[in-house]
Amino acid sequence: NAGVTQTPKFQVLKTGQSMTLQCAQDMNHNSMYWYRQDPGMGLRLIYYSASEGTTDKGEVPNGYNVSRLNKREFSLRLESAAPSQTSVYFCASSQVNTGELFFGEGSRLTVL
Amino acid sequence: RKEVEQDPGPFNVPEGATVAFNCTYSNSASQSFFWYRQDCRKEPKLLMSVYSSGNEDGRFTAQLNRASQYISLLIRDSKLSDSATYLCVVIFYSSASKIIFGSGTRLSIRP
Repeated sequence: NAGVTQTPKFQVLKTGQSMTLQCAQDMNHNSMYWYRQDPGMGLRLIYYSASEGTTDKGEVPNGYNVSRLNKREFSLRLESAAPSQTSVYFCASSQVNTGELFFGEGSRLTVL
Repeated sequence: RKEVEQDPGPFNVPEGATVAFNCTYSNSASQSFFWYRQDCRKEPKLLMSVYSSGNEDGRFTAQLNRASQYISLLIRDSKLSDSATYLCVVIFYSSASKIIFGSGTRLSIRP
C-alpha cells in the first residue's frame, strides 16, 4: 500500500551542486505536484503536471525543473542548488482536481 | 493580500475543550474547500471536505460562509491526539484549476 513514494528523504548539498528528487505514485492518478514547505509560509506549489506529458509552473518555479517521465513518476531537479532552496519538499498526486491530494513523506533538503 | 489566509496560532487549549478556527479566502471564482491535518514533520493528510450545507465527522464540524468568504473548523471534546497543524485548502476553478494551501493553524492540546 505504497501510495506516493519520494526519494531521498534527506539530502545535504553544497551551493552549486545539482540533484534530482524522485517521486512515484501507484494510485493511477493523472495529476502530480511538487510543493515546498518553509516555516510560516505554508505549502507553495513549484510545478505540477495535470496529466502525463504536460507540466506547468506553479507559484515558485525559479531554480527548478521537472519531468513527468510517465504516469507514475514526476521528478524535480535542482540544477544549481542555492541556500534559499533549503526546505522540505513534498510530492503529491490526485485524480483530476478532486481536492484530495495524497502526499509523499517529504524530502528534507539542506543547501550549505 | 494572500488568496487564502489562516490565523497561525498557536491555539493552546485543555483536553476536552471546544476550539474553532477560520480560514478566509479572497478569490470569488468557483471554489471547493477542504481541511487537511499535518502532524509535526509529517505530510499533510485530508481531514474533511467542506460542503455548502456544512458537514460533520464525529467531533469535527466544517462550515462554509460564502457571503463572508470564510470556512471554519470546529473541534469538540478535543483530545491530545488532535494536536497538529490544520491547513485550509481552496481550489479555485477558472480557466485552470488552482489549489491554494493556507499556511496553517497550529493547535496544541494540553492535558
